[in-house]
Amino acid sequence: DAGVTQSPTHLIKTRGQQVTLRCSPKSGHDTVSWYQQALGQGPQFIFQYYEEEERQRGNFPDRFSGHQFPNYSSELNVNALLLGDSALYLCASRGKSVSYEQYFGPGTRLTVT
Amino acid sequence: GQNIDQPTEMTATEGAIVQINCTYQTSGFNGLFWYQQHAGEAPTFLSYNVLDGLEEKGRFSSFLSRSKGYSYLLLKELQMKDSASYLCAVLSGGGGNKLTFGTGTQLKVEL
Repeated sequence: DAGVTQSPTHLIKTRGQQVTLRCSPKSGHDTVSWYQQALGQGPQFIFQYYEEEERQRGNFPDRFSGHQFPNYSSELNVNALLLGDSALYLCASRGKSVSYEQYFGPGTRLTVT
Repeated sequence: GQNIDQPTEMTATEGAIVQINCTYQTSGFNGLFWYQQHAGEAPTFLSYNVLDGLEEKGRFSSFLSRSKGYSYLLLKELQMKDSASYLCAVLSGGGGNKLTFGTGTQLKVEL
């Protein structure tokens, strides 16, 4: 049973560039959430996708956008990268379980120079 | 808004018991999670509480008091591999959409 997978593992970008991160949810899961985790901090909620629509959004600017595909996989896009966007980006998926447990992927480490 | 507080760091001895506290203020509470995160890795699920009381799972137990906005994670028979960051997270929003995390408690287990 494959867990949550993310690509790429690491990424280095320059200020002003754009980046796309990818996530495949755990088998049987249909809801995908994205989180940003700065060094020494807890993850911060960016947004959640369900049935190919953004269902809820955290306090992030419009430079952060996403998409969910019919196979439930998801992309996170960040435009006009800033140095402060350097962080670990985590994808989490969940199914229809009553417990609401979210399973996290290994993350993508983004460095903006 | 959401506000979650937990200690930044704790140190304990191998074989001992440690309690990590978490207090929260939130609207639309749908449950509280504890996650373990080793450096450079993804958070892994430890426990979920939605009703008041104690949930026990092996060496780990978690307690919730919704009226006090308080939870704790209890780790027994500490092992060196338990050295990690422990994240308290509150689930809120319609349909249980959003997890709000604390900054994490860095636990160091010493010999």
